[in-house]
Amino acid sequence: DIVLTQSPGTLSLSPGERATLSCRASQSVSSNNLAWYQQKPGQAPSLLIYGASSRATGIPDRFSGSGSGTDFTLTISRLEPEDFAVYYCHQYHSSRTFGQGTKVEIK
Amino acid sequence: QVQLVQTGAEVKEPGASVKVSCKASGYTFSDYYIHWVRQAPGQGLEWMGWVLPNSGGTEFAQRFQGVVTMTRDTSISTAYMELSRLRSDDTAVYYCARGSRVTTTGTTAFDIWGQGTMVTVSS
Repeated sequence: DIVLTQSPGTLSLSPGERATLSCRASQSVSSNNLAWYQQKPGQAPSLLIYGASSRATGIPDRFSGSGSGTDFTLTISRLEPEDFAVYYCHQYHSSRTFGQGTKVEIK
Repeated sequence: QVQLVQTGAEVKEPGASVKVSCKASGYTFSDYYIHWVRQAPGQGLEWMGWVLPNSGGTEFAQRFQGVVTMTRDTSISTAYMELSRLRSDDTAVYYCARGSRVTTTGTTAFDIWGQGTMVTVSS
């Protein structure tokens, strides 16, 4: 199975700051079959980014995804209060696996 | 609107089985894969497998082989996940999620999720 390693585990930032989240795969994820989800407490995950860089329907443009091969990044350009949550990367190239998550918390 | 609605919370004893349902609405149920993902308390997401509603075909993550069954009833647009021989470490929230459309080449991310079903395994 492809192992996804997310870093950092926790990101402490203030509203208005830029957040950069990393997801590294143990082997190449071809066709950029990599997605990002946001999960808030007590809620199901929701899709933010698919195909490494395409925003899902209704996702604001402050969210962007980039990367290829084994290294992927989710960037939130200016954090809004509702963006403080846990973020997971997910590969759907070979079977399916998720990263362990990055928590973005208010500093 | 497009949604997946799951059954309510369950409490089971070790060794028992649990069956969780996931009812689809707002789209053609048979056209999309349904995946199951679980999340233990305070932990991350773990993919369990998928069922293809139009054929009943399934694929499971290796660690769930032999203990999970995924079925569907297309007449009521509902998918089911049954987990047997429950242990305390099966305590988790179980989610269904919509995957690829059957006519799509390749695989896709999970764009619609159910609200989750809490399964507690305790004696």
